[in-house]
Amino acid sequence: AQKVTQAQTEISVVEKEDVTLDCVYETRDTTYYLFWYKQPPSGELVFLIRRNSFDEQNEISGRYSWNFQKSTSSFNFTITASQVVDSAVYFCALSEEETSGSRLTFGEGTQLTVNP
Amino acid sequence: EAGVVQSPRYKIIEKKQPVAFWCNPISGHNTLYWYLQNLGQGPELLIRYENEEAVDDSQLPKDRFSAERLKGVDSTLKIQPAELGDSAVYLCASSFRSNEQFFGPGTRLTVL
Repeated sequence: AQKVTQAQTEISVVEKEDVTLDCVYETRDTTYYLFWYKQPPSGELVFLIRRNSFDEQNEISGRYSWNFQKSTSSFNFTITASQVVDSAVYFCALSEEETSGSRLTFGEGTQLTVNP
Repeated sequence: EAGVVQSPRYKIIEKKQPVAFWCNPISGHNTLYWYLQNLGQGPELLIRYENEEAVDDSQLPKDRFSAERLKGVDSTLKIQPAELGDSAVYLCASSFRSNEQFFGPGTRLTVL
């Protein structure tokens, strides 16, 4: 069975601070995919990133960066110089299939509030 | 390109009433998903369609929930009768040949 744990329920920071959202996963498969989604107050889940289990390179996209460590089964997400518009619920998710039709297992989410 | 469209965005009903949600996936996406999201939790899959065939409905409470995807495009999720515990957000998503799923804005259901 697969499981995703986001231990941080809520995080509050002041604008321009860096913030890291933690994600720990469990799976018995050797091939799997990890995702981060953002859910703003409007409710729509916005795709941020997908990584497969064979690619442990860290990734940076603008102010966003992701740290994937198989040794600790973690896929953490860092926002640098946070902005008020980053306020949202962030979900980490896991899929054990590459093809369309895979089931995503989500964590419970981390509510990030960035205060001006 | 238009995203996943869902309607209504909000629905308030009394318990024991029926309710239906509609989803129009991204054009060309053959896989469609319905997820249930309870307050403060991550989405959980209810049912997945490959074209018009329901291929994963193990999490769908079949005594009161039903879904259809006629012609392999739009889909409808129905609850009859609704219970208080059904209050949640119902999310629709679609994908094409990959596990990257695109989500709609959801329908927030309140059962009184």
